Amino acid sequence: SAVISQKPSRDICQRGTSLTIQCQVDSQVTMMFWYRQQPGQSLTLIATANQGSEATYESGFVIDKFPISRPNLTFSTLTVSNMSPEDSSIYLCSVPQGNYGYTFGSGTRLTVV
Amino acid sequence: KQEVTQIPAALSVPEGENLVLNCSFTDSAIYNLQWFRQDPGKGLTSLLLIQSSQREQTSGRLNASLDKSSGRSTLYIAASQPGDSATYLCAVRRSSGAGSYQLTFGKGTKLSVIP
Repeated sequence: SAVISQKPSRDICQRGTSLTIQCQVDSQVTMMFWYRQQPGQSLTLIATANQGSEATYESGFVIDKFPISRPNLTFSTLTVSNMSPEDSSIYLCSVPQGNYGYTFGSGTRLTVV
Repeated sequence: KQEVTQIPAALSVPEGENLVLNCSFTDSAIYNLQWFRQDPGKGLTSLLLIQSSQREQTSGRLNASLDKSSGRSTLYIAASQPGDSATYLCAVRRSSGAGSYQLTFGKGTKLSVIP
């Protein structure tokens, strides 16, 4: 299975600022996924990032708030823009693994104050 | 719309006990089901992946079963250890159509194993 390095592992940010989260994969993958896990809730898919095309966002998530870059087949970033306390969550990236399951990064725990 | 429910939401057991975690889903048209472990504030570690054509998978002290027709899966943990304390999540992948690569997650079962 692929190994994902996700950074930062945690951060505390001021409201109104932005944070960029990075995921580096040790092998080339076509699709990368970004999830949000709000406190006490299940994971929700934010968007799917394909190399060479714009990300596909799920209902309730917009590009202006969560811009995504996918410059190559091993790397992606998610930016959380103009943050508010409601953005405090764990953000995770994910890639497909063998046998059609998924591998996840170690997560970014974001607190907005 | 697929919905995944995990019961119980929390479970506390003494070390050494065998235990079962439950996962149910509303739409039986799934491609596979995956069990994950999540430590506090961390990412997800894949435990077991069951394809829709399979009935169970085993890894060490873990055994996961799948009854697709009834929309249920169980994760059995034998001889529990304090290191097993974590939140366990199940996720189902849709079998076909738009968004078939998406996972739908339950809210998890928080397990505490008391020494």
